[in-house]
Amino acid sequence: DAGVIQSPRHEVTEMGQEVTLRCKPISGHDYLFWYRQTMMRGLELLIYFNNNVPIDDSGMPEDRFSAKMPNASFSTLKIQPSEPRDSAVYFCASSLGRGVRTEAFFGQGTRLTVV
Amino acid sequence: AQSVTQLGSHVSVSEGALVLLRCNYSSSVPPYLFWYVQYPNQGLQLLLKYTTGATLVKGINGFEAEFKKSETSFHLTKPSAHMSDAAEYFCAVISASGTYKYIFGTGTRLKVLA
Repeated sequence: DAGVIQSPRHEVTEMGQEVTLRCKPISGHDYLFWYRQTMMRGLELLIYFNNNVPIDDSGMPEDRFSAKMPNASFSTLKIQPSEPRDSAVYFCASSLGRGVRTEAFFGQGTRLTVV
Repeated sequence: AQSVTQLGSHVSVSEGALVLLRCNYSSSVPPYLFWYVQYPNQGLQLLLKYTTGATLVKGINGFEAEFKKSETSFHLTKPSAHMSDAAEYFCAVISASGTYKYIFGTGTRLKVLA
């Protein structure tokens, strides 16, 4: 398997623009996670899905952020409108979530810069 | 609810010296525990995990960690540091009861001195 695939790897956008980050989880994994990493706040869990259903979105910072998982092989994280404080590295991860086979596998991340 | 505390945001060791990175967790139910490593501009990679069974677990690159329930700890060690071990290390916990919500510590940046 190619692992968790995120696109784009880098995104530079102007304040106020819509940004869409994409993620393809590992085939067969039931759980998908979106994390945000910054120097100030470390690694924050934004939202996670189980079998395409959002389970916990308590980490989504505000209504400007939304995430969808229309099918088992694709998820998006959208920011509309974007602000400079959204600049961070966004990671997607997936896991099998069955018993002891439960480790999360991370993508390479999307580095977002909002100017 | 689970939480993780990593003591020391930065640790420096000499090449060949013992590496010890500390992790303490809080969990009201039996935890699953993980250590991940992150190299610059990369995602997180699993080093090792504890789920059930033997409390001393071995991972990749010569790392190991011991689950100590009485101390609520899961410290990461390596007998002899190598320059290539320089990276950021994250401890994480999830509930063994099945919520699969990963909670990460704030990370420890390891520097290896020649």
